[in-house]
This record gives sequence, C-alpha cells and structure tokens, in this order.
Amino acid sequence: AQSVTQPDIHITVSEGASLELRCNYSYGATPYLFWYVQSPGQGLQLLLKYFSGDTLVQGIKGFEAEFKRSQSSFNLRKPSVHWSDAAEYFCAVAAVSGTYKYIFGTGTRLKVLA
Amino acid sequence: KAGVTQTPRYLIKTRGQQVTLSCSPISGHRSVSWYQQTPGQGLQFLFEYFSETQRNKGNFPGRFSGRQFSNSRSEMNVSTLELGDSALYLCASSLAGVVRGETQYFGPGTRLLVL
Repeated sequence: AQSVTQPDIHITVSEGASLELRCNYSYGATPYLFWYVQSPGQGLQLLLKYFSGDTLVQGIKGFEAEFKRSQSSFNLRKPSVHWSDAAEYFCAVAAVSGTYKYIFGTGTRLKVLA
Repeated sequence: KAGVTQTPRYLIKTRGQQVTLSCSPISGHRSVSWYQQTPGQGLQFLFEYFSETQRNKGNFPGRFSGRQFSNSRSEMNVSTLELGDSALYLCASSLAGVVRGETQYFGPGTRLLVL
C-alpha cells in the first residue's frame, strides 16, 4: 500500500538557520510528490512539486526539495529560515491504486526561534 | 482569479444533527475533493467529484456524502453527527482531478465542532 512518512512531528530552528524536513514514501512506481504548508487556521498552500526530470525542485518562498529514488525520499530544504516560516508542513504523494488519490504525511510542525 | 472558497468557516452542531458544507472551486476547475483533518488522524481523503459524478471515495462511513453541481460547486453532508466528526474539513479543486499528480488548490476549510 502507498504511504508517506514524515518522521519528525516537531522541529525547532533558530531564525537564519538552515532547515531540512524529511519525507519518505512507499509507492511501486515513480510517484508524483508535493510539499504543502499550512499556517494556523488556514488551508494548504503548495510549495513545490515533483513529477519527473530534474530531481532538485525549486519552490516558492525559497524552498527546494530533492527527489532521491534510491532512498524513497523527498526532503524539503531551506538555507535560511525566516520567522514567518513557522507553520505545519505536509508531504504528499499522488498515487494510483485503482483510482488516483492524494496521500498525505502526518505533517511536521516547524517552530522558529527569534 | 479567485481561490477556492468554503462556507461556512465555522460551525457548531450537536450530536445527532446533520450538517452541509459548501465549496466553490477555482473558476474552470471541474474536480473537487474533500478532506477531513484532525490532530489524531491527520489529513484523510473523503471523496472526489468530477463533472457531477463521484469518482473516488475514501474509507468513511455512509454518513458522509457529497454532491457536485453543474457549475462545479460541491457540497458535503454529514448526517447523524458524532463527537469524532469534529474536524477541519478542507476542499480542494483542480482542473481535471488527481490524475497523474495534478496540483490541487485548497480552500481555507470549515471548522466543525460537534458537542
């Protein structure tokens, strides 16, 4: 069965520090991968997506993610975190199992220290 | 272009009641999906509608139902509410559905509290 794992429930970083949020997936074929961000009380906003091609994907707000097939990972990175990045981050895979659907990870809540 | 809108934003109901939530997709989008988000279960797929037909369905009881109108607006209904139905209900729209990983655009959600 398809699944998405975000092993870190909470992460705390200092403003200006680098950030890496982990995402591992289980899927038989090449997946379509997404990172979304959710601010408190808000819906989800797409940060970036990977379909094919270059394994390093650039997104909005200075985020990037790297697809590593050998590790079944799609980790999200940012070189310098801003206080406004504090939010919850969700990794998702678009999977086919008879029908297409999105499968979301459980999320990583990011706290940024001033 | 206006984003996905959901009404109402907040609802308080009591056990046993029913509730209807509404979602207006981005103009031109024909697919609407619904998700339930809770602290314990995370984001769970409820169902997807495309051109007024339910195309996909998640693992939720029959108390959860939906429909889509010819203008692509969608409603979700929950009958005989239970305490565990308290959640943020998110609607997402896309042009043609979750086909080959098409991007979904999410609304702000409706927060339902069941007392």
